[in-house]
Amino acid sequence: QKEVEQNSGPLSVPEGAIASLNCTYSDRGSQSFFWYRQYSGKSPELIMSIYSNGDKEDGRFTAQLNKASQYVSLLIRDSQPSDSATYLCAGGSGYSTLTFGKGTMLLVSP
Amino acid sequence: DAGVIQSPRHEVTEMGQEVTLRCKPISGHNSLFWYRQTMMRGLELLIYFNNNVPIDDSGMPEDRFSAKMPNASFSTLKIQPSEPRDSAVYFCASSFNRGGGYTFGSGTRLTVV
Repeated sequence: QKEVEQNSGPLSVPEGAIASLNCTYSDRGSQSFFWYRQYSGKSPELIMSIYSNGDKEDGRFTAQLNKASQYVSLLIRDSQPSDSATYLCAGGSGYSTLTFGKGTMLLVSP
Repeated sequence: DAGVIQSPRHEVTEMGQEVTLRCKPISGHNSLFWYRQTMMRGLELLIYFNNNVPIDDSGMPEDRFSAKMPNASFSTLKIQPSEPRDSAVYFCASSFNRGGGYTFGSGTRLTVV
């Protein structure tokens, strides 16, 4: 069974710090990975995608992928209170639907 | 684009009643997904359509659940009869393909009393 594992948290960081969110996956056939942000009472919103080993940066967000270790991470630099949300990791391939983790709750304190 | 549109936003119904949830995917997306989200189980895939055809319904909990997609711009998820354990947030999502990034609708919060 394909699984995506995340620490449920909460992960607490002070404003301005770097938040590091991690995810591991079981399916070696997974080719594409996504990070979603979900505010309380809202729907998941796609914030990052990554397909190749290495880092991908978009503003304050950096996604990292290591296929050999089956590990995906999301770094948020200069964390803001508005970043407080649950972050969902998802992985899949052209042959399967996405498998979602249960999410990590991030709390950024002012 | 207006995004994925779901209705209703909230639904409160009595046990045993029929519930119908509706979804309009993003125009041009050929994959549509119905998910259920609870605190305990997270996001669970219920059913996946590709080009209006149901491809994988292995996540549908039981025969009380059914889903249809009569055309590229409309899908329904029906629960009949509803039970209190069906209480959850139901999301519809669409995508260009099953392995790509999905766009979620605002969800329907279902409460069965």
